[in-house]
Amino acid sequence: QKEVEQNSGPLSVPEGAIASLNCTYSDRVSQSFFWYRQYSGKSPELIMSIYSNGDKEDGRFTAQLNKASQYVSLLIRDSQPSDSATYLCAVNGRGGSQGNLIFGKGTKLSVKP
Amino acid sequence: DGGITQSPKYLFRKEGQNVTLSCEQNLNHDAMYWYRQDPGQGLRLIYYSQIVNDFQKGDIAEGYSVSREKKESFPLTVTSAQKNPTAFYLCASSPRTGANSPLHFGNGTRLTVT
Repeated sequence: QKEVEQNSGPLSVPEGAIASLNCTYSDRVSQSFFWYRQYSGKSPELIMSIYSNGDKEDGRFTAQLNKASQYVSLLIRDSQPSDSATYLCAVNGRGGSQGNLIFGKGTKLSVKP
Repeated sequence: DGGITQSPKYLFRKEGQNVTLSCEQNLNHDAMYWYRQDPGQGLRLIYYSQIVNDFQKGDIAEGYSVSREKKESFPLTVTSAQKNPTAFYLCASSPRTGANSPLHFGNGTRLTVT
């Protein structure tokens, strides 16, 4: 059973701090990794994708991938109350052309003013 | 504006009734998906379709059916055989089903069956 594991939280950080969200996955052949943000009662929204080892930065967001450790993380710098949401990690589960994703259960982030 | 439209936003049904959830996209995406989300749970794949007139079962297809007669449309029917139909249903699409193709989600339909 291929799995994606996330700490469910809640993770609470003060405004302006760095929030660090972590995700591990079990399928060694996974190629694609995505972070989605989901506000309460809303649908997931893609915020980052990463495909190769290392860091990828987009504004206040940095995704980090370590395939050897089967670990992907999301850092949010200068956290804002509007970042309070559930963050879903998604991993390509088949390693091939079918491309459907396996989602973790999400980490709930709370940014306190 | 391109996007994925799910309707209705909220749906209430009595137990034993079939119900169809609508999903339409104007992104010209080849692949479409249906996911179910329960409180505190990750998204679970119900069905997906890579091309018109073809679809594949996901991890939890029992009690559901789909059709893909047009590229733009991928309706989901929740049948009376689905034991726990109350959930948040999410339709998604992607340009293709390749490994690097992220999903774009509609706004979801919240189904309550009593």
